[in-house]
Amino acid sequence: DAKTTQPPSMDCAEGRAANLPCNHSTISGNEYVYWYRQIHSQGPQYIIHGLKNNETNEMASLIITEDRKSSTLILPHATLRDTAVYYCIVQKGSARQLTFGSGTQLTVLP
Amino acid sequence: DVKVTQSSRYLVKRTGEKVFLECVQDMDHENMFWYRQDPGLGLRLIYFSYDVKMKEKGDIPEGYSVSREKKERFSLILESASTNQTSMYLCASSPRMTGKREKLFFGSGTQLSVL
Repeated sequence: DAKTTQPPSMDCAEGRAANLPCNHSTISGNEYVYWYRQIHSQGPQYIIHGLKNNETNEMASLIITEDRKSSTLILPHATLRDTAVYYCIVQKGSARQLTFGSGTQLTVLP
Repeated sequence: DVKVTQSSRYLVKRTGEKVFLECVQDMDHENMFWYRQDPGLGLRLIYFSYDVKMKEKGDIPEGYSVSREKKERFSLILESASTNQTSMYLCASSPRMTGKREKLFFGSGTQLSVL
């Protein structure tokens, strides 16, 4: 599976959009981009995934570049409860092949 | 709301004890997984199961075994606990891949300390 690169930490003001970048330059054509987050002392939580089109759900939006080498997770109106580690994962097949890296620690500031 | 429940939030055991970590999911998922999470090492897959009585080794199965007698329950067993098994253990489940990619649903984790 392709490797991902994320900044180790980011801050965001409460109420503002949080834009979390992810680089996956070695992604192959059949690999999906997944985002999970992990709030302190809890298990990871699925957020969103996509292949090549932009996706939106009730939690977030996922923007994937046309060449698919990078993506951005957008939390449109960040709240204090969005403070968590966000993981960007590239997944080819089944969930057993997921590799969680170090992720980005997002801190939402009041 | 979908749920993956792990039996204990915190557990303290002594070296050499046999330890059982239980996980139950209420979503009728076929796949279940056990991970451990350690600082700086991310999540590492220990074992997974695609069906009742089926199990497959993940990346770090040594020192662990699993049991899946019923679809909703997946147990992780530490036959003889050692201090290097002190970790956060996470159970997850997912539906069988049907052409759409699987997504994982995680429990809240069990922080195991082996003294």
